[in-house]
Amino acid sequence: KNQVEQSPQSLIILEGKNCTLQCNYTVSPFSNLRWYKQDTGRGPVSLTIMTFSENTKSNGRYTATLDADTKQSSLHITASQLSDSASYICVVSAGIKAAGNKLTFGGGTRVLVKP
Amino acid sequence: DAGVTQSPTHLIKTRGQQVTLRCSPISGHKSVSWYQQVLGQGPQFIFQYYEKEERGRGNFPDRFSARQFPNYSSELNVNALLLGDSALYLCASSLEWGRETQYFGPGTRLLVL
Repeated sequence: KNQVEQSPQSLIILEGKNCTLQCNYTVSPFSNLRWYKQDTGRGPVSLTIMTFSENTKSNGRYTATLDADTKQSSLHITASQLSDSASYICVVSAGIKAAGNKLTFGGGTRVLVKP
Repeated sequence: DAGVTQSPTHLIKTRGQQVTLRCSPISGHKSVSWYQQVLGQGPQFIFQYYEKEERGRGNFPDRFSARQFPNYSSELNVNALLLGDSALYLCASSLEWGRETQYFGPGTRLLVL
C-alpha cells in the first residue's frame, strides 16, 4: 500500500529561525515528489517538484531534498517569516501514467512561526 | 490569468441530502481532480477526469460521482450525505493527465448537520 508519512505533525519556531520537515514514503513505482504549502482554509500551493534524478530543488527560502534510495525527502525553511505559518504537505506520485495521476498525500506538518 | 475556481465556497446541508460542487480549471488545463480533506488531515483522492473521461477513482462509495464537461469544468455530486462527508473539497487542474503539477482551487467547505 502506498503511504506517505510526515514528521513532525506540528512545529513552533521563532521568526527568523530555520526548520526542517521530513517526509518518508513507500510509493511504487515512484514518479515524483512534491511539497505543497496550504494556508488554513485554502487550497494547497505547489512549492517544489522533484523527479527520481533530482536530489535538491529550491524555491526562494524553501529547499527540498530527495533521497530516492532511502525514500526520504525533507523541506528546509530558511529565515522563517510569519507568513510561513501553514501546513506543509508532501505528495508522492506513482509512476505509471496509464494508471492515472495517482497521488499519495502525507498528513502534513503544521508550522507556526511566532514573532 | 484566473486560477482554479470553485463554487460555492461554503455549504451547509443535512444528512440524506444531495450536494453538487463545481470547479472551473485553469484555462487550457484538460485534467481535473477532486479531493476530500477532513480537518487536520491531508487530502484524499476521489476522482480524476481528463478529456471528459474518468481516469482515476479513489476509495470512495458510489454516493460520490463526478463528470467533466466539454469546456473542462467539472461537477462533484454526493448523494445521501452523511455527517462524515463534512470536509473541505478541493479541485485541482493540470495541463494533462499523468505527472503534471496540479494547481488547487480554494476549496468548498461542506458541513453536514
